[in-house]
Parts: sequence; structure tokens; C-alpha cells
Amino acid sequence: AQSVTQPDIHITVSEGASLELRCNYSYGATPYLFWYVQSPGQGLQLLLKYFSGDTLVQGIKGFEAEFKRSQSSFNLRKPSVHWSDAAEYFCAVGGNNDMRFGAGTRLTVKP
Amino acid sequence: DAGVIQSPRHEVTEMGQEVTLRCKPISGHDYLFWYRQTMMRGLELLIYFNNNVPIDDSGMPEDRFSAKMPNASFSTLKIQPSEPRDSAVYFCASNRQDTDTQYFGPGTRLTVL
Repeated sequence: AQSVTQPDIHITVSEGASLELRCNYSYGATPYLFWYVQSPGQGLQLLLKYFSGDTLVQGIKGFEAEFKRSQSSFNLRKPSVHWSDAAEYFCAVGGNNDMRFGAGTRLTVKP
Repeated sequence: DAGVIQSPRHEVTEMGQEVTLRCKPISGHDYLFWYRQTMMRGLELLIYFNNNVPIDDSGMPEDRFSAKMPNASFSTLKIQPSEPRDSAVYFCASNRQDTDTQYFGPGTRLTVL
């Protein structure tokens, strides 16, 4: 069965610092992988997705993620965090019929 | 495009009352999903439709929950009777078959007293 693990429940970084959010997945075939962001009181917004091809994926708001098959990981990165990036981030695996979401990582940004 | 539209945004009701949540998917999308988000259980898929037909409702918690999609532009999720443990944020999402990318609505925050 497919599943997603986000090991970090809560991360705090200083504004301007780099960020990496971890995501590990379990999937029987080549996965479709996603990162979504949820601001307080809002729905989930797609940041980026990986279906195939280049394993380094660029997304919106300056985010990128790298698919590493050998590590079953799809970590999200940003070189310099802005205060507006404070939100909850969800990694997801699957496709139309069976999308599984991780528990989420809450990001706090210190001034 | 206006995106996925959900109403109401907030609903407060008393235990035992019927609650109806509404969703309008993005035009042209042929999949529609209903999710529930709680602190304890995270984001759970309740049911999804393809071309207005329910495909998998295994995530619907109990018979008190029902969902319909009478046409391509409208779906409802109904809870009758509601209970305090149904308090959660309910999201609707839609996508096109050829994209595999779900687009979420803003959610309905349901509080059952």
C-alpha cells in the first residue's frame, strides 16, 4: 500500500535562511509526487509535482523538490525563506484514484 | 477560472441537525473528491466521483454521510444526523483525467455543538 511520511511535525527557521522539508514515500510503482501548501484558513495550493523526467522539479514561490528513487524521498527546498512562507506543507503520493497525503509539516518563520 | 468553489465557508450547527456542504468543481474537470481534515487524522479522502458517478466511497465514515453529484458542476456532502465528532474542515477538490493534479477549494469549517 502506498503511504507518505513527513518526519518533521514542526520546523522553525529564520527569515532568509534555507529550508528543507522531508518527505518519504512507499509506492509499488513509479510514483506521482506532489507538494501542497496550506495557509491558515485556506485550502491546499499545489507547489509542484513530479511525474517523470528530470528529478529536480521547480515549483511556484521559489520552491523546488528533488525525487530520489534510491531513498524513496521527495524533499522540498527553498534557498531563502520569506515570512509569507509560514504555513503547513503537505507531501502527497499517487494519482487520480488514490492520492495519499502526509500528516503535514508546520513551518514557522522567525523574523 | 474561479477555481473550486465551496459553500458555506463556515457552518455551526447543533448535534442531530442535518448539514449540507456544497461544491462547484472547476469547469471541464471530470473528477471530484471530498476530503475531511482533522488534527487527529489529517487529510482523509471520503469519496470521489468520475463523470458524476461515485467510484469509491470506502472513506465515508458512516451511513450518516452521503454524497451526490447530480451534474458536472455541482456536488453535495450531507451529514444526517450530525455529531460533535464530525467537526472538521471539509475540502472539495477536482481535476481532469489527463493531469492527475487535484485543485482544492477553500474548505468548509464545520462545528457541531
